[in-house]
Amino acid sequence: QVQLQESGPGLVKPSETLSLTCTVSGGSITTYFWNWIRQPPGKGLELIGYISDSWSPNYNPSLEGRVTISVDTSKNQLSLTLNSVTAADTAIYYCARARTGRNWLDPWGQGTLVTVSS
Amino acid sequence: EIVLIQSPEFQSVTPKEKVTITCRASQSIGSSLHWYQQKPNQSPKLLIKYASQSMSGVPSRFSGSGSGTDFTLTINSLEGEDAATYYCHQSYSLPITFGQGTRLEIK
Repeated sequence: QVQLQESGPGLVKPSETLSLTCTVSGGSITTYFWNWIRQPPGKGLELIGYISDSWSPNYNPSLEGRVTISVDTSKNQLSLTLNSVTAADTAIYYCARARTGRNWLDPWGQGTLVTVSS
Repeated sequence: EIVLIQSPEFQSVTPKEKVTITCRASQSIGSSLHWYQQKPNQSPKLLIKYASQSMSGVPSRFSGSGSGTDFTLTINSLEGEDAATYYCHQSYSLPITFGQGTRLEIK
C-alpha cells in the first residue's frame, strides 16, 4: 500500500523560500502523477500543481512564477519549492497521487503545516 | 477555472438521519466530480470517484449521483464517525478545483 509523507521546515520567514519533500513508500514514484495541494488553516483546498509521469510539471496559474515541483526518482521523493512567501502562504501542505493530471486524488499524505512569519 | 459551490456549508444532524450535500459546477464537467471526507486533523480521504463510484472500503451508506453541473453526496443513516468536512473536486479541466467544503456536526 502506497504511503506519502511530507516533511520540511514548519516556519519560514516572509520573502524567503519554502521547500518541502514528499517521500513515497510502498510503491514507485514512476507511472503516476504527483500533486501538491495546500489548505490554509480552517479553509478549503487549493491545487498548487503536479508533475506528470514524464516529469513535466503543471502549475496553478495563481502560483505560477513562484513554484517549482520536481522528482528525485533515486530517492522516490517529490519536492516543492515556493519562492517569495508571504503570510498568505501559511497552510497545511499535502502531496497526493493521481493517475493522470485530471483525475481523482488518492492517497494523500498526512500533511505538514508551514507557517510564514518573522 | 471551474468554480464549485457546495451547499450547505454547515449542517448539524442527528445520528440515523439522512444527509444530502450538493455540489454545483460553474460549467458542465460530465462526471469528473469526486468526493472526499476530511476529519479533524486528518488529510482528505477519497470516498466517491466519477460522481457515483464508491471507493473500496467506504461504507455503503455513502453514495454519489449527478452529472453535468449538479452533483449530490448522500449519507444514509448517519453515524457519529461521519462528523467531518466533505469536499467535492472537479478534474474535468485544469486547474483542478475544490468546493469550499460542507461541515457536518453530529448532535
